[in-house]
Amino acid sequence: EIVLTQSPATLSLSPGERAILSCRASQTINTYLTWYQQKLGQAPRLLIYDASNRAAGVPPRFSGSGSGTDFTLTISSLEPEDFAIYYCQQRSSWPPAFGQGTKLDI
Amino acid sequence: QVQLVQSGAEVRKPGSSVKVSCKASGGTFSGYTVNWVRQAPGQGLEWMGRTIPFLDLASYAQKFRGRVTITADKSTNTAYMEVTSLRSEDTAVYYCARDSFCGVDCYSHFDYWGQGTLVTVSS
Repeated sequence: EIVLTQSPATLSLSPGERAILSCRASQTINTYLTWYQQKLGQAPRLLIYDASNRAAGVPPRFSGSGSGTDFTLTISSLEPEDFAIYYCQQRSSWPPAFGQGTKLDI
Repeated sequence: QVQLVQSGAEVRKPGSSVKVSCKASGGTFSGYTVNWVRQAPGQGLEWMGRTIPFLDLASYAQKFRGRVTITADKSTNTAYMEVTSLRSEDTAVYYCARDSFCGVDCYSHFDYWGQGTLVTVSS
């Protein structure tokens, strides 16, 4: 099974700063990597699919990159509503597991 | 606009069972799969399994095989997830999530999620 490792576990930044979140796969997954955002008490929300494609309605300050085993989610200029937990998920093979999450803190 | 609407919170005793439903409104499950993901308090997301309603197929994460059953009723566009032999560690929010069908052994991204159902297992 493919294991996804996210880093850092917690990222403390301020509004207006750039956030860079990492997700590393234990084996190559091409670009079959998805990013979700989860706010407290809410269901996850699809942000980025297939490593770099923004989902409908996602602001352009969110961008994804990477292929193979190393992936990055970048938030170019943090807005107050961006402080949440971010999960990556691979869809390359069964089971479609999630990373453990990165908490983006003010 | 598709919405996945889940059943309400449940409280169960250890050893009992619970069945959670997920109904698609504003759309159908045709051409889609329905996944179940759980989240224990303060923990991350854990994929449990999925059903492909139009093929009547289900698959499960190894950890949940034998204790979890995922089904779907195509006539009502409702998916179900049942957990038996509940233990305290099953206390969690359970989410359903839709993805586009791309093959029996293929997974897509989860574009729509239910609101979550809290299942509490306590004596």
